[in-house]
Amino acid sequence: GAVVSQHPSRVICKSGTSVKIECRSLDFQATTMFWYRQFPKQSLMLMATSNEGSKATYEQGVEKDKFLINHASLTLSTLTVTSAHPEDSSFYICSARDPTGLYGYTFGSGTRLTVV
Amino acid sequence: SQQGEEDPQALSIQEGENATMNCSYKTSINNLQWYRQNSGRGLVHLILIRSNEREKHSGRLRVTLDTSKKSSSLLITASRAADTASYFCATANTGRRALTFGSGTRLQVQP
Repeated sequence: GAVVSQHPSRVICKSGTSVKIECRSLDFQATTMFWYRQFPKQSLMLMATSNEGSKATYEQGVEKDKFLINHASLTLSTLTVTSAHPEDSSFYICSARDPTGLYGYTFGSGTRLTVV
Repeated sequence: SQQGEEDPQALSIQEGENATMNCSYKTSINNLQWYRQNSGRGLVHLILIRSNEREKHSGRLRVTLDTSKKSSSLLITASRAADTASYFCATANTGRRALTFGSGTRLQVQP
């Protein structure tokens, strides 16, 4: 099936710095990717939909200036958490739809962000 | 996004027993999917059931869908310790490309 690679798997950063998370579709082209955030023992909440070649669509309550999304190619979407604060500490997961339509959506392995 | 509810929130069973998880959702759907997540990891797709289907099987998994009640269930038969994980239902809603996830069930299978 389709594979999405997400890096880094784990990052610790200081408050006020920015962190970039990459999400790559390895063997297929993804015109759309999705970014989710998951707090401990909670479900996944959609943050934004990343569209190749155009602006991302953000969910209500998600600050677009804080969570910068770039989808410059058909295989790469990046999420940059700018001026990170401890409350941004979370598990971030990207996703793309399996192009065959048979296997639902495929997910990256996630990034554990800890802001200290 | 409007999340669905899953119950139970947590389930602990012995190896060999069956595990049943339920999911309710709120809007019209194209399909409903179940995913598994091991602690601190990404999600693995388990099974997809379309809105015009009522039941589907895959190995030890059995999924039902009742669109009139906006609910689904996931049955794992003959559970194994390796089935310990969190399980999420997710809906592909009409007019929305992203998945909407349920609140999840944490399953613990005791060896």
